[in-house]
Amino acid sequence: GAVVSQHPSRVICKSGTSVKIECRSLDFQATTMFWYRQFPKKSLMLMATSNEGSKATYEQGVEKDKFLINHASLTLSTLTVTSAHPEDSSFYICSAREGGGPETQYFGPGTRLLVL
Amino acid sequence: AQSVTQLGSHVSVSEGALVLLRCNYSSSVPPYLFWYVQYPNQGLQLLLKYTTGATLVKGINGFEAEFKKSETSFHLTKPSAHMSDAAEYFCAVSPSGNTPLVFGKGTRLSVIA
Repeated sequence: GAVVSQHPSRVICKSGTSVKIECRSLDFQATTMFWYRQFPKKSLMLMATSNEGSKATYEQGVEKDKFLINHASLTLSTLTVTSAHPEDSSFYICSAREGGGPETQYFGPGTRLLVL
Repeated sequence: AQSVTQLGSHVSVSEGALVLLRCNYSSSVPPYLFWYVQYPNQGLQLLLKYTTGATLVKGINGFEAEFKKSETSFHLTKPSAHMSDAAEYFCAVSPSGNTPLVFGKGTRLSVIA
């Protein structure tokens, strides 16, 4: 089946620093990638949708200047948390869609971010 | 706007017992419906999906779900729970092929020996 990887799987950083999370579709080309955030014991909250080569579309309430998303190729998207603060600590999950409907959407294993 | 409601944030069953996880949705159009499973510190794995056709959908690991339009439900069932089924389960809906998935809040399934 289609595989989506994320790197790193866990990251700890100091408050005020920036952290970059990579999401790769390993065996397919992803025309669309999604970034979700999951709070403890909560559901996944869609942060943004990105299409290769174009600007990401952010959901209401998500700061686009804080959460920078780049979808430079059909197999790579990055999420950069800029000037991270403890409240940004969370589980970030990316998802890649192969080009069909939502049934072709595959999820990465997630990245646990802890901001001290 | 579409939404997903999962009744019960935590369900506990005995090993070998029936598993029933409830999901109701609201959507203005016939939606695509999904169930995902998440093991601790892992991403989501697709269990099964309904797009069109047969309303009873079979998935992996012995799970199945039935789309009931009149009840706007898509409950997940498994006849006999196994210890390895303990995980978080998410119901998700997409009203069309091009919109992102909307997730329910999840139901944590515990299986007691």
